[in-house]
Amino acid sequence: NAGVTQTPKFQVLKTGQSMTLQCAQDMNHNSMYWYRQDPGMGLRLIYYSASEGTTDKGEVPNGYNVSRLNKREFSLRLESAAPSQTSVYFCASSSGMINTGELFFGEGSRLTVL
Amino acid sequence: SQQGEEDPQALSIQEGENATMNCSYKTSINNLQWYRQNSGRGLVHLILIRSNEREKHSGRLRVTLDTSKKSSSLLITASRAADTASYFCAPEKGIFGQGTTLQVKP
Repeated sequence: NAGVTQTPKFQVLKTGQSMTLQCAQDMNHNSMYWYRQDPGMGLRLIYYSASEGTTDKGEVPNGYNVSRLNKREFSLRLESAAPSQTSVYFCASSSGMINTGELFFGEGSRLTVL
Repeated sequence: SQQGEEDPQALSIQEGENATMNCSYKTSINNLQWYRQNSGRGLVHLILIRSNEREKHSGRLRVTLDTSKKSSSLLITASRAADTASYFCAPEKGIFGQGTTLQVKP
């Protein structure tokens, strides 16, 4: 099994450009999450989805939108990228609710905004 | 927020020594998890300890939880160079601390 797959792995954008980070999981998990990790920092939760059709804001949602397309896929969109959004983005999934089970992470998407 | 705070931020030890990392949190929890992150990779789950457990073992890992002090510790015994990584606690709700960076020198 692939687990959690993120695309693209690397992306360079100019300020103001838009892009979508894709995430897919093949573990039939209900919950999915998007995090960002800045150098020397822990992970900060951007958005999460407890089940298909629902999304909720995390710690740092400003500047981002998400879509839970189906049970497998959860995308993160930057409508107008800013240099402050330069970061490594991680998608994760879990079988249970956000506070009940193990999170499985993708390998990250490294985004640079110039 | 329920963010965990790890201590120390960085730890450097020799291979074979034990490494202890601590995590403090602010409000009551049902469980607390520990994760490892190798450089440039995603996080990997290590262990989950429930609020009604005081200690849990997994191989060379030992986790303790003191709900009265709102703290947890992760002990890695007989460390190896391959244990070099960052370690994060997650006291529920998918919120992580800043982590402890562990370097194990051969």
